Amino acid sequence: QSVLTQPPSVSAAAGQKVIISCSGSSSNIGNSYVSWYQQFPGTAPKLLIYDNNKRPSGIPDRFSGSKSGTSATLDITGLQTGDEADYFCGTWDSSLSSGVFGGGTKLTVL
Amino acid sequence: EVQLVESGGGLVQPGTSLRLSCAASGFNFDEYAMHWVRQAPGKGLEWVSGISGNSGTIAYVDSVRGRFIISRDNAKNSLYLQMNSLRVEDMAFYYCAKGVFGGYDSNGYYQDYFYMDVWGKGTTVTVSS
Repeated sequence: QSVLTQPPSVSAAAGQKVIISCSGSSSNIGNSYVSWYQQFPGTAPKLLIYDNNKRPSGIPDRFSGSKSGTSATLDITGLQTGDEADYFCGTWDSSLSSGVFGGGTKLTVL
Repeated sequence: EVQLVESGGGLVQPGTSLRLSCAASGFNFDEYAMHWVRQAPGKGLEWVSGISGNSGTIAYVDSVRGRFIISRDNAKNSLYLQMNSLRVEDMAFYYCAKGVFGGYDSNGYYQDYFYMDVWGKGTTVTVSS
């Protein structure tokens, strides 16, 4: 049972938009910064978003993040088949004094 | 090029120890926090431990606190994870990651920044009798 809650799977057609949610509490998302990671099977995760809504160099602006209260979202527009992957949110939990991740969301592009 | 290379994984019996290493290159190692993150087969990511650049701040997930020890040698650009009293549930792929682990904002207030911007390819730890 993950501290952060993500939907196990989402799907959308190529070219469309998908939103992946990440729900937490006041001890984590509510008082910390959220990051998002993309992971393809058999490979290491890759940072997509940090500090709630910032993109590292090289990440397309099709990927965007936002946070409101104790929830965060990752928006992916102009879906491509190459976006099919697992997506994880992460943040710091001040009550646990540890980092925490969501359980992950598998994106399928139809 | 920023690179992280883990080593030290292997097959061990429950109750024994293992030491993971992570060799870093391509960046000023002592300026960055480092993390260990693990992933059990078919499961999600689990943050294991983090250490600040000067080793002044260290944290662990509850399930490993008291059994695992994170450390770094900035002179050798290396990160370590000493894993003691290993359990079957510690079996996973272990990633070393460069990142951020707390810090001060432009106004001087401490913030719980937290992310990993570069990841190694990982090393496998198998715990089985």
